[in-house]
Amino acid sequence: AQKVTQAQTEISVVEKEDVTLDCVYETRDTTYYLFWYKQPPSGELVFLIRRNSFDEQNEISGRYSWNFQKSTSSFNFTITASQVVDSAVYFCALSDRNTGNQFYFGTGTSLTVIP
Amino acid sequence: DAGVTQSPTHLIKTRGQQVTLRCSPKSGHDTVSWYQQALGQGPQFIFQYYEEEERQRGNFPDRFSGHQFPNYSSELNVNALLLGDSALYLCASSTLRGSSTDTQYFGPGTRLTVL
Repeated sequence: AQKVTQAQTEISVVEKEDVTLDCVYETRDTTYYLFWYKQPPSGELVFLIRRNSFDEQNEISGRYSWNFQKSTSSFNFTITASQVVDSAVYFCALSDRNTGNQFYFGTGTSLTVIP
Repeated sequence: DAGVTQSPTHLIKTRGQQVTLRCSPKSGHDTVSWYQQALGQGPQFIFQYYEEEERQRGNFPDRFSGHQFPNYSSELNVNALLLGDSALYLCASSTLRGSSTDTQYFGPGTRLTVL
C-alpha cells in the first residue's frame, strides 16, 4: 500500500532561519514519483518539485533544496533563510505505477515564519 | 497561459441537496483529477477523467460522479449531500503519457459548506 507520512504538523521559525520539512513514504513499487506542493492560505496547491525513484540526486532551486534518500524512504525539503512569504502548508505526495496518476498526499506541515 | 480554473469559489448547500462543481484544465492538458480536502487534512483522490471517461476512482461512494467534455473541462457532481461532504474540492490537470506519471497542476478549489 502507498502511504506518505509528514510527522511535523506545525513548525514555527523566525525569519532568516533554515527549516527542514520531513517526508517519509511507503510503496512496494520500484518505480515511483515524489512531489512537494505549497498551499498558501488562498487554497491553491502550488507545484514545487517532481522527483522519480531513479534519480537520487539532490536538487537546489534558489532557497529551496530537496534531499532524496531511498535507503530511508525519505524526501525532505529544506528552506534556507526563510521569509514570511514562505508561510504556508506544505504537502508531500507519492504516485507509482500501481496508482497510475493518483497522488497520495501526506497530512501536510504548516509552516509559520515569524518576522 | 491560463492555469487551472474552477467555479464557483464558494458554495453553501443544505443536507440532501445536489451540487455541481466545474473545472477547466491548464492549456495543453487532457486529463482532469478531482480531490477532496477536509480541513487540516491532505487532499484525497476522488477520480480521474481522460478521453471523457472515468479512468480511475478512489474510495468515494457513488454519490460522487463526474463528467468530462470534449474540450477537456470537467464537472464533479455530488448527490444527497452530507455534512461530512463539507470540504475544499480541488481539480488538477495533467497529461497522460502512457504509464508515466505526469505532474498535476491544481486549481484554486471550490469551498463547499453543507449545513
